[in-house]
Parts: sequence; C-alpha cells; structure tokens
Amino acid sequence: QKEVEQDPGPLSVPEGAIVSLNCTYSNSAFQYFMWYRQYSRKGPELLMYTYSSGNKEDGRFTAQVDKSSKYISLFIRDSQPSDSATYLCAMISNTGGFKTIFGAGTRLFVKA
Amino acid sequence: NAGVTQTPKFQVLKTGQSMTLQCAQDMNHNSMYWYRQDPGMGLRLIYYSASEGTTDKGEVPNGYNVSRLNKREFSLRLESAAPSQTSVYFCASSGGTGFYGYTFGSGTRLTVV
Repeated sequence: QKEVEQDPGPLSVPEGAIVSLNCTYSNSAFQYFMWYRQYSRKGPELLMYTYSSGNKEDGRFTAQVDKSSKYISLFIRDSQPSDSATYLCAMISNTGGFKTIFGAGTRLFVKA
Repeated sequence: NAGVTQTPKFQVLKTGQSMTLQCAQDMNHNSMYWYRQDPGMGLRLIYYSASEGTTDKGEVPNGYNVSRLNKREFSLRLESAAPSQTSVYFCASSGGTGFYGYTFGSGTRLTVV
C-alpha cells in the first residue's frame, strides 16, 4: 500500500464548476501538507501548504486537512480552463528525516 | 528570477552510456533534491543534499550518483544508463527541510534505448 493515495483521474468539469481534489494517507506522523500544480511538460509549482489540521484559503483555492480521517482536499472555486493541469498532493512528517512524499497526481480538465 | 535551472531539457542515450544532469539554483537555498517522475508512480526521491557538502540517498538511488558542487549546483550522474532509467528528472530546492514547499526546475526528459 502506498503511503499517499491519489485518484489519477482524469477529472473533467465545465468552466465555473467547483472542483474537489483529494488524497488519503496512512502515516499519522504527517504534519505538513502541500498541493502542487503541474502543467504539461513543466515542473510542479507550489500552490498551497498547511500545517496540521484545518482550512487555508488563497483566492479561488481552499486546502483542507482532516487528520482524524487521514484525508486532505483541495477545492477550486469558479474553475477556469487555465486550471487544467495535474495536481499533486505532498506531505512531510516531522520524524524520520523530514522527507516529502508525493501523491501520483490527479489530472484535471476544465472545459470552456 | 531564474529559480532552478536544469540542463539538458531532453536527452536520448544508448544503454550503457553515461551522462550528467546539471542543476543550479539562485535562491540561496540550502537543500537540493533530485526526483524522477514516472506515470502512475508520482515523484520519487533519488538523492538529496541537505546542505553544501552533504548528500544522502533517497527512495530510488541505485544506478545514480550525485555531487553537490557548491551551494548553487547539484548534479546527477548516470554511470551506465539502463532502459529502466527512462523518465523525467526534476531538480528541486528548498530553504530548509521543505516544510514550506520546494521550487522545481522544468525537468529533463531522458530516454534510454
């Protein structure tokens, strides 16, 4: 079993829809949670990071962490065609060398 | 504002050939990383360097070597390329242990035939 599971999609939505992207994890030591966006043939770029449980909002993006369920989400409001990309979740524990573990990514298509 | 620069962007190697992937960052970051990305596998850590003068193995180090040349530069060497090393390679850097995320380069697409 992978430490971090992420549905690969693809997920296709119409422009303006609310998008929900999710990851589950098995290691309860994970404390830091990140979302990266990766456009085709580009490197990942950091979208948001959160520490421990709770919500964090940045413009149209909201990151949510539920440590009791070992579940994290990224919500995109008013989705745009420019949001079409692969979204990677990532997490770090505060033990064992602080290595980042990435999900495999969910591919999102937003149709105009 | 170059960030993390990787060269080359594309490379085709024959089995058994060697090559070095170059990476440089201009953000004065202490930590640098090499990842490979394969379909369905996500990003897997090959080697990392927590600070100048140190390097450590990641999840998939076999077949690779690294050099932290100075604070800015971190290279990845394939001594004898194998088809299993066909992948997209990303270099990344972070100010500390990566709690606040990494800055990635644009990647090197390597094909070993």
